[in-house]
Amino acid sequence: AQTVTQSQPEMSVQEAETVTLSCTYDTSESDYYLFWYKQPPSRQMILVIRQEAYKQQNATENRFSVNFQKAAKSFSLKISDSQLGDAAMYFCAYRRSRTGANNLFFGTGTRLTVIP
Amino acid sequence: NAGVMQNPRHLVRRRGQEARLRCSPMKGHSHVYWYRQLPEEGLKFMVYLQKENIIDESGMPKERFSAEFPKEGPSILRIQQVVRGDSAAYFCASSRFGTADEQFFGPGTRLTVL
Repeated sequence: AQTVTQSQPEMSVQEAETVTLSCTYDTSESDYYLFWYKQPPSRQMILVIRQEAYKQQNATENRFSVNFQKAAKSFSLKISDSQLGDAAMYFCAYRRSRTGANNLFFGTGTRLTVIP
Repeated sequence: NAGVMQNPRHLVRRRGQEARLRCSPMKGHSHVYWYRQLPEEGLKFMVYLQKENIIDESGMPKERFSAEFPKEGPSILRIQQVVRGDSAAYFCASSRFGTADEQFFGPGTRLTVL
């Protein structure tokens, strides 16, 4: 069974600084997708970034980037130049790539606080 | 272009009542997923549906829970004889196609069972 582990229940970062959120996962598949979702107090789930396992290059979206280590089954999220609006719960998620296996497996989340 | 819509946003039921949660996917999307989020936890997959078909219900409790996605109208998640442990946020997501497609989430329905 696929499991996703986020070992940091809470993290904090000073505004304008950089923070890294950790995620590890367990799978026997060779091809899959990984995601980071943001859930602000409104509870809306917002996709931050995604990574295809077959791609060696780490995904980047503006201030958000990932460090994908396939052999170590690690997928960390780096937020640069942190802003107050980045404060939220962040969930790491995994999805298999096989047809019909579309559901996401989520970690338990990391609550990020941004200090002004 | 409206996003995924869920209603109601908040639902209060007494133990033993039925709860019906509705999800309208984004325009052009024919794949719907339901997830449940218990307090202080991540989202857990319940069921995956395409129009008129249940594709994967491996995360759905065997009793009291059912889901449908008819040819016309929204997807419905139905919980019969609710218990306090059913209190949670229920999220719906939709995608245009299947495997490689991004899932777009609705705002969720917060169910409270008294």
